[in-house]
Amino acid sequence: QLQLRESGPGLVEPSETLSLTCTVAGDSMIKTSYFWAWIRQPPGKGLEWIGSIYYSGSTYYNPSLKSRVTMSIDTSKNQFSLTLTSVTAADTSVYYCARQEARNWSGHYWGQGTLVTVSS
Amino acid sequence: QSVLIQPPSVSAAPGQKVTISCSGSTSNIGHNYVSWYQQVPGTAPKLLIYDNDKRPSGIPDRFSGSKSGTSATLGITGLQTGDEADFYCGTWDNSLSGLYVFGTGTKVTVL
Repeated sequence: QLQLRESGPGLVEPSETLSLTCTVAGDSMIKTSYFWAWIRQPPGKGLEWIGSIYYSGSTYYNPSLKSRVTMSIDTSKNQFSLTLTSVTAADTSVYYCARQEARNWSGHYWGQGTLVTVSS
Repeated sequence: QSVLIQPPSVSAAPGQKVTISCSGSTSNIGHNYVSWYQQVPGTAPKLLIYDNDKRPSGIPDRFSGSKSGTSATLGITGLQTGDEADFYCGTWDNSLSGLYVFGTGTKVTVL
């Protein structure tokens, strides 16, 4: 059974950089059929796709966040990462990592999520 | 501001049926597969439907999906108290450089 787990600081100061890592267990990340994604959810609000990365390193980002987002992947460690620069209080969210099918972008497996609060 | 519009809430008594609509456009639902996710508060979303109408293994057939034109619908029959949750549709949007979009979300309440 595939498992994903997010890790990283729970508190980030305004204007700083948010960095999260997703560790994948139960399967290789080197699969042509899947993307590895980050999705976030502000408290009490809906879901927002941040971006997805292929095992080769090809990336797709949400245009509204593209100028601040970088995703990377390390298949040797079975991990992929998210960095979000110049954060504000509006970036306070639960951040989820997930595996999406490349054919239809459906997210079949999700991590439990990690709350990141932007505050001084 | 999501481009996929869902009703904020629906409700019904146990055993009854509810439907949730997801309204989009030709740049998203009209040309791409739709997925549906269930999110119990405090937990991660769970995939209920993919490819418009397919259920992952373990999802009961009380849950069904359909798509027509630029809209999609999730149906839940035999409503149970455990079905209380937020439900989101999702699909790829071909506008701009492309992005994955979620619906505005619908809260299902079992009366």
